[in-house]
Amino acid sequence: GENVEQHPSTLSVQEGDSAVIKCTYSDSASNYFPWYKQELGKRPQLIIDIRSNVGEKKDQRIAVTLNKTAKHFSLHITETQPEDSAVYFCATNFGNEKLTFGTGTRLTIIP
Amino acid sequence: NAGVTQTPKFQVLKTGQSMTLQCAQDMNHNSMYWYRQDPGMGLRLIYYSASEGTTDKGEVPNGYNVSRLNKREFSLRLESAAPSQTSVYFCASRPGDSYGYTFGSGTRLTVV
Repeated sequence: GENVEQHPSTLSVQEGDSAVIKCTYSDSASNYFPWYKQELGKRPQLIIDIRSNVGEKKDQRIAVTLNKTAKHFSLHITETQPEDSAVYFCATNFGNEKLTFGTGTRLTIIP
Repeated sequence: NAGVTQTPKFQVLKTGQSMTLQCAQDMNHNSMYWYRQDPGMGLRLIYYSASEGTTDKGEVPNGYNVSRLNKREFSLRLESAAPSQTSVYFCASRPGDSYGYTFGSGTRLTVV
């Protein structure tokens, strides 16, 4: 079936350190892998995405890596800041027009 | 340009009552979606509409119906609300040439 597993469910890091969140997916037909950030009481917002023909993409302090062989992709946040505290969701499309989301990671940055 | 607009923002229903959640987008997007968000379960797809005139079930459609009224509007109806439908509901849309979703601000629904 179409399944996305996300780990860890909670993550606490010291301000300035790096954070890594990993997702695995079940179907090799997936070709789109976005990451969303959701602050408390707000809507999810797209922060970075990657397509299956690319192995890595960076945007300032955030990056996403994709390993299609192993069917996993990861979000990397470097030099973390208090405003990075939020819930992060991975997702993938399993080759169709709808996204299936992971269960989320609550990231807390410790000042 | 308002993006994706959802109404209402908050609602309390009694078990058995009905209501319709409204969603409208002004970005000329083809596809629209309804998700529910529950603690620890992420976002689960209820129904979606890949284009005007079409609707399809998602992962958790039971107890819901949808209407794609036109290209802009996609409504979600609860015919007989149950406490298990207490959740935050998000509408989203995307253009035909991109997978990136734009979400509405959500509707927090409580069924008592």
